[in-house]
Amino acid sequence: AQSVTQPDIHITVSEGASLELRCNYSYGATPYLFWYVQSPGQGLQLLLKYFSGDTLVQGIKGFEAEFKRSQSSFNLRKPSVHWSDAAEYFCAVGAEGSARQLTFGSGTQLTVLP
Amino acid sequence: DARVTQTPRDKVTEMGQEVTMRCQPILGHNTVFWYRQTMMQGLELLAYFRNRAPLDDSGMPKDRFSAEMPDATLATLKIQPSEPRDSAVYFCASGFGLAGNTDTQYFGPGTRLTVL
Repeated sequence: AQSVTQPDIHITVSEGASLELRCNYSYGATPYLFWYVQSPGQGLQLLLKYFSGDTLVQGIKGFEAEFKRSQSSFNLRKPSVHWSDAAEYFCAVGAEGSARQLTFGSGTQLTVLP
Repeated sequence: DARVTQTPRDKVTEMGQEVTMRCQPILGHNTVFWYRQTMMQGLELLAYFRNRAPLDDSGMPKDRFSAEMPDATLATLKIQPSEPRDSAVYFCASGFGLAGNTDTQYFGPGTRLTVL
């Protein structure tokens, strides 16, 4: 069975600083990988996804993520964080199966200091 | 801007009552997922449908939960009878898929359920 680990429960960065959120997955085949963001009281919004091809993927809001098969990682990065980026971030892997259902990590809460 | 819609957004009910949550998937999507989010368990998959047929509902407590798709524009999740431990945010997501794949899942805003 597939699994996702987000080792950082909570990260605090200053506005304008760079950001990296870690995600490690366990899956036997080539994974479909996603990053979603959830603001308080809101649903999940897709930031970016990796299905195949270029291992560096660009997403919305200036985010990018790099798939590293050798490290089973899919870390999310942003060069300069804005206060509006404060939210919870979820990494997910889509498993092979009847519909490629998602397994989510436990999430990383991002706090942005002024 | 196509979106998944869910109703109600908030529901407070008493233990033992029936609760029905509704989801309208994005037009053209043929796969619908139900997830539950709690502080303790995080995001868990409850059930999913492809072309209105249930593919897997192993994540749901069978004795009290049921999920259906009466038509392509409506998915429902019902709890009867509800219990306090069912308090959570329930998300619906939709996507388009063929065979063993589903493209990106798009999530609705969720239904926050509180069972007293």
